[in-house]
Amino acid sequence: IQLTQSPPSLSASVGERVTITCRASQGIGSDLAWYQQKSGKAPRLLINDASNLESGVPSRFSGSGSGTDFSLTISSLQPEDFTNYYCQQFNHYPVTFGQGTRLEIK
Amino acid sequence: EVKLQESGGGLVQPGGSLRLSCATSGFTFDVYAMTWVRQAPGKGLEWVSSIGGVSGPSTHFADSVKGRFIISRDNSKGTLYLQMNSLRAEDTAVYYCARHMIRGVFNYWGQGALVTVSS
Repeated sequence: IQLTQSPPSLSASVGERVTITCRASQGIGSDLAWYQQKSGKAPRLLINDASNLESGVPSRFSGSGSGTDFSLTISSLQPEDFTNYYCQQFNHYPVTFGQGTRLEIK
Repeated sequence: EVKLQESGGGLVQPGGSLRLSCATSGFTFDVYAMTWVRQAPGKGLEWVSSIGGVSGPSTHFADSVKGRFIISRDNSKGTLYLQMNSLRAEDTAVYYCARHMIRGVFNYWGQGALVTVSS
């Protein structure tokens, strides 16, 4: 299953609302997760099952979607949010990740 | 506190072998499925291999490593392994071990081990 993540990069300002999308090549129900990865660090799980926020993740992050179309929204960007984001499907093996979105400060 | 710590990375020549280890603590290791994910320099995340927990220790591999890599676990030591054989330049990456939360969602990660395949 291929995941197409868009946009590959995004410039935004602090306080702005942004949305990253992830499209699966076939239906995967709600079997999608979102990760944040800062430079030189391991990924951090933000959202599982398409919309369930992980404990400790700020409420400005939210996920939605099912089937083939998914999105990650950050409602009000904070300085620490400018980094890389990946979607991942776990509907069946092989597990696959999207190509990533680099969120840059404008 | 859940901890995962990779070791065994380094520089190896093309065609060579290397074994990565992932020592864990803070949870009942044999219950959880475990995974290796890699990231080539400046690139995105790539799933490599997974192994089930005690309820079903099946293994899965990405096509790019199938037949060359072996995943295993020692539940008595709480340690995950990745035996990498016939290494290629394109295997150069930081290799992360990760614990499954549910199914194929990874909620705990190690800090990564760098593997460089070069002559």
